[in-house]
Amino acid sequence: DTAVSQTPKYLVTQMGNDKSIKCEQNLGHDTMYWYKQDSKKFLKIMFSYNNKELIINETVPNRFSPKSPDKAHLNLHINSLELGDSAVYFCASSRNRGLAGVAELFFGEGSRLTVL
Amino acid sequence: AQTVTQSQPEMSVQEAETVTLSCTYDTSESDYYLFWYKQPPSRQMILVIRQEAYKQQNATENRFSVNFQKAAKSFSLKISDSQLGDAAMYFCAYSSQGGSEKLVFGKGTKLTVNP
Repeated sequence: DTAVSQTPKYLVTQMGNDKSIKCEQNLGHDTMYWYKQDSKKFLKIMFSYNNKELIINETVPNRFSPKSPDKAHLNLHINSLELGDSAVYFCASSRNRGLAGVAELFFGEGSRLTVL
Repeated sequence: AQTVTQSQPEMSVQEAETVTLSCTYDTSESDYYLFWYKQPPSRQMILVIRQEAYKQQNATENRFSVNFQKAAKSFSLKISDSQLGDAAMYFCAYSSQGGSEKLVFGKGTKLTVNP
């Protein structure tokens, strides 16, 4: 059973289109994240949700809108896609904030978005 | 803001040899966590090893160990008896205390293992 699963794994689309990437985790975690990995492999956080509440928004353009219908799901919708949005988008989850100890992030396999 | 620096964009090692990947970080916090993640060509991000800053003992996981120098803000990864399957991008990452905060990643080191 995949712990953190993302769909689709690959997405090719035209500039100006709107697309969504879905993420689901079956680990019972309360916190979920979206990270973007650019063409130079640099990973940067975009959003974090804890129990369906947005807790981190790293100055991402408002064309990107995360939605968390429940704590096991965090979807990413992107409007008016631009060439610079081409990247690999990783979903991740971790256990609840405030618990003692290290909260390891569990990552999905990534979704490669190509904007033409 | 915290930053993580990996000064080696690429490294190579012979199979069965040992290699050390460097990582330095900048923070004003006294309690935090450090991680090494591996990303093979399959793209999956896999946790290799983690270290709590309050622990003086260096973490080890089988062939992987770290050299954590808190005063120097250094967190290097040593891979012993390198195997072909160790070839991957390796990312050093920092997390504030509490753990469920954002991870700040370095730019990665591409490790090649030569047979």
